[in-house]
Parts: sequence; C-alpha cells; structure tokens
Amino acid sequence: DAGVIQSPRHEVTEMGQEVTLRCKPISGHDYLFWYRQTMMRGLELLIYFNNNVPIDDSGMPEDRFSAKMPNASFSTLKIQPSEPRDSAVYFCASSFGRGYNEQFFGPGTRLTVL
Amino acid sequence: DQQVKQNSPSLSVQEGRISILNCDYTNSMFDYFLWYKKYPAEGPTFLISISSIKDKNEDGRFTVFLNKSAKHLSLHIVPSQPGDSAVYFCAARMANFGNEKLTFGTGTRLTIIP
Repeated sequence: DAGVIQSPRHEVTEMGQEVTLRCKPISGHDYLFWYRQTMMRGLELLIYFNNNVPIDDSGMPEDRFSAKMPNASFSTLKIQPSEPRDSAVYFCASSFGRGYNEQFFGPGTRLTVL
Repeated sequence: DQQVKQNSPSLSVQEGRISILNCDYTNSMFDYFLWYKKYPAEGPTFLISISSIKDKNEDGRFTVFLNKSAKHLSLHIVPSQPGDSAVYFCAARMANFGNEKLTFGTGTRLTIIP
C-alpha cells in the first residue's frame, strides 16, 4: 500500500495568493483528517471527514480556510487569501472505522507564505 | 487552551538507558491515549496506546503508564537506542463518545546519545 499521499511536499507562495493542498487517503479508509503543525501549538486538528462528509470543522482557523472531499480518494485544503501566519506543515491522515483505530499520516506539506 | 501538555520540549538520554517522556491532560472526558513518533520530513507514526480502563500497556521496549487521578501519562523506552531519536507526540481521544478527534500535545524531541 502506498500510504497517505500528499502534494505538493513544499509550497512557497506570496501573501494574498490562493494555496491548495491535496491528499489521497489509504484505499478503504473512511475517515480523513487535516492537521496543522506549528512550533507553538504542536499538531492541531483542522477538520475531519467521515465517508466524504465533514464531521467536525471546529479547528478551521477562519473563513480563509476551506476543505472538500469530493470522493473517497481525494481531499483538498484551500487557503484563500494566504497570510504569513499560515506558514506551517499541514498533514493529512486517514483511518478505518470507528473506535480505537490508528490514524495513518501522510508526509506533510510544508507551506511558506512570504 | 492546551488540553494535552508536554512540558519538556526536549530530552537527551544516553544509549542503553531509560527514556521517560511525560504528558499531562486536563479534560477528564479523554478515555484513550496514544503516542506517536515523528522523524524529520515524515508524518507521525503510531507507536503505542492505552485505554483508560488500564494503567499500563507494554509493547517490546515501549511501555505507557496512565495515572487517571493525576491526569498524567508517561512513555518509557528501555533500553534507548539511537533510532529512537525523534519527536514524540502524546495524543488523547474521547473514544467512548464516538469522537474520532485526536488532541495532540506540542511534542518532545528525544535525542539518544551514543
């Protein structure tokens, strides 16, 4: 299995530009999670989906952030417009089933907003 | 407000000795706890977990201890090996409430000195 795939691995953009991060979960997994890692706050959950439906988006910092999951094998996290404080590593993770199940993380996208 | 806290940003341990990583939480509704390990430029990987009905769980060189009354858990690595050098994240869930959300701490960077 290829694991969780994220693209791009690195993104450098200028303030005000739109940024789109992409994620392909592990085949068969029905939960998908987007996290952001910063030095100050560690790993924070932004949003998670179950069967392509957003379940909890309480971690999305503001309206500039949006996430979609049009099908079971693809999700996007969009920031528009981007700001320097959005610079962080963004991780996508997936898992199967409810309960005490491990989340598998992708390699992350390092975003730098200048 | 950090509900899961790892107060030691870094820890250095001699190879062969015991490494003890600590984690505190504030939300008494957390009932499932996990440790993830993260190498540079990679996503976190699951290491070990413990349910609140237990006070200890062991897997090879890794043991997690849970003290519910103190809202404290710790990860013991014995003996420590150079490959254990990584950032360790503590995470917590309200699994019995059907909530798949993981709340992470800020991480502890463990360095094993040869």
